[in-house]
Amino acid sequence: NAGVMQNPRHLVRRRGQEARLRCSPMKGHSHVYWYRQLPEEGLKFMVYLQKENIIDESGMPKERFSAEFPKEGPSILRIQQVVRGDSAAYFCASSSLAQSYNEQFFGPGTRLTVL
Amino acid sequence: AQSVTQLDSHVSVSEGTPVLLRCNYSSSYSPSLFWYVQHPNKGLQLLLKYTSAATLVKGINGFEAEFKKSETSFHLTKPSAHMSDAAEYFCVVSDRVKTSYDKVIFGPGTSLSVIP
Repeated sequence: NAGVMQNPRHLVRRRGQEARLRCSPMKGHSHVYWYRQLPEEGLKFMVYLQKENIIDESGMPKERFSAEFPKEGPSILRIQQVVRGDSAAYFCASSSLAQSYNEQFFGPGTRLTVL
Repeated sequence: AQSVTQLDSHVSVSEGTPVLLRCNYSSSYSPSLFWYVQHPNKGLQLLLKYTSAATLVKGINGFEAEFKKSETSFHLTKPSAHMSDAAEYFCVVSDRVKTSYDKVIFGPGTSLSVIP
């Protein structure tokens, strides 16, 4: 059973370009969470999605950032017109249920560098 | 409001000596608590979790943590540090406040160095 997959592992973009990060949850998991980790900091919650629904996007910036989790295919975190401050590691996690006793399994992360 | 405090941003121990990483939390519900480890440029791995069962929780790699409700603490310990324990450790609280699901809050992390 493969774990949570994220790609690409490393992404380099110039200011103003778009960044598209993908996350494939563990098999059987229908809950996906995105987190951002700035250098020397902990993980900050961005958004929580279930299939075709955004449940909580309270941690995601209102502009330039969007997320989706379609019926088929991976979850996508999209950052438009990237700026240097977007440089960070972006982690995706998945779980089978939303309850706390269900562990969130983390992917290896995508490290975004904005030049 | 939920919050997680990790009292030490950096801890340094000698190999073979005990490890103590401190974590305090605030929660208005009955939280679940977790410790995750992150090795450099890697993802996060769950060390252990508390979900209202036994207050002393044993995890992988010899780590354990004790939930103390009166002190709102969930400190992580290991009797004898190994070089491979050098990593970043995150205390995490999962709580249900004003939502229909459990929201996860990460502490800022503690960087553990192990000296040979």
